[in-house]
Amino acid sequence: ETGVTQTPRHLVMGMTNKKSLKCEQHLGHNAMYWYKQSAKKPLELMFVYNFKEQTENNSVPSRFSPECPNSSHLFLHLHTLQPEDSALYLCASSQANPGQGYNEQFFGPGTRLTVL
Amino acid sequence: EDQVTQSPEALRLQEGESSSLNCSYTVSGLRGLFWYRQDPGKGPEFLFTLYSAGEEKEKERLKATLTKKESFLHITAPKPEDSATYLCAVRSDQFYFGTGTSLTVIP
Repeated sequence: ETGVTQTPRHLVMGMTNKKSLKCEQHLGHNAMYWYKQSAKKPLELMFVYNFKEQTENNSVPSRFSPECPNSSHLFLHLHTLQPEDSALYLCASSQANPGQGYNEQFFGPGTRLTVL
Repeated sequence: EDQVTQSPEALRLQEGESSSLNCSYTVSGLRGLFWYRQDPGKGPEFLFTLYSAGEEKEKERLKATLTKKESFLHITAPKPEDSATYLCAVRSDQFYFGTGTSLTVIP
């Protein structure tokens, strides 16, 4: 595997289900991100992890719960979602340099989520 | 308020017809401007990073330029395979993305 991989690629779930999205990066980066992409809207940054520590949480509802067990793996745990949460969820990774910020991000193919 | 605006929203070109896409931004403390290409059903693919006004980067038929207020992605003699959505993003305290320009190149 190379780059950033995401599973599953497609997910359909009911509002009472619990599911998890998985992301793995093979680039040796130290920062990972979750984004939400909805039609006609800019990518919405949800969470940022730097060296496994969560550094940003952009007012995301608690029904989305991230987990970063190491610098290569990132999960997004989902529970009691709403239909408006249907979107493409993208994972990305980049190299973070102390004092210089984050370099360009490399994205996975995304998980297309549909909430019924 | 930090924001990124891309124009036009959609662009149709004949094969070989050169044009430019615009990304204007208002951020405090620009730490990088990024261009991505996104094909339907796929994640964005990184193209360029620009850090300072006057900087230019090229890749095949694409050339990105940066001023203090905007960036242009110039497409020279486009081909149908250049059809995609092109996203611009800036980094200040965090990443801000534009809504993209959907480019269609007609054979």
